[in-house]
Amino acid sequence: SQQGEEDPQALSIQEGENATMNCSYKTSINNLQWYRQNSGRGLVHLILIRSNEREKHSGRLRVTLDTSKKSSSLLITASRAADTASYFCATDLNTGFQKLVFGTGTRLLVSP
Amino acid sequence: AAGVIQSPRHLIKEKRETATLKCYPIPRHDTVYWYQQGPGQDPQFLISFYEKMQSDKGSIPDRFSAQQFSDYHSELNMSSLELGDSALYFCASSHRDGYTFGSGTRLTVV
Repeated sequence: SQQGEEDPQALSIQEGENATMNCSYKTSINNLQWYRQNSGRGLVHLILIRSNEREKHSGRLRVTLDTSKKSSSLLITASRAADTASYFCATDLNTGFQKLVFGTGTRLLVSP
Repeated sequence: AAGVIQSPRHLIKEKRETATLKCYPIPRHDTVYWYQQGPGQDPQFLISFYEKMQSDKGSIPDRFSAQQFSDYHSELNMSSLELGDSALYFCASSHRDGYTFGSGTRLTVV
């Protein structure tokens, strides 16, 4: 079963609007990371939030983490057409060896 | 700075053939990972190596094998290819929290 489940699966907004994507996970984590992927391309690391952090900002990105609910959200403010991509959360599991487990992804479409 | 290098970028093979994918991690990164991403799917963890020893294994078919060499590059070998093996294969390397992904190898099995 998936460690990370994301919702919504797809999100369609207009340029200038904010986009919020949510991720839930099941097991204890070291950190949670968000990645972006343009269609059929590589995974680009966006932001990492550690298990002892609650909120983190990077440019137009804001990530929150609630370890009690095992959930995270990614907010993209003032979205642009170039933000159109798939966004994945990935959990770095709290086991002996590091491993990233990806969620199911949210496909974001930003229309001009 | 050098990133994770994967080769080839694209590969077309016929059913039942064998494919070898290569990954060159970032220098001094101690762990290498392989992921498989099918069309419209999320990346699935296959296998990882820490300091050249297999450290974890995911949903990797028995037809697949991987190893990490003394120069830290890694190879994913896939035999008896099936149509369902068509996917994007990513390699990543890490040191502590930092993961870096390669651009992937797109394998098409026909």
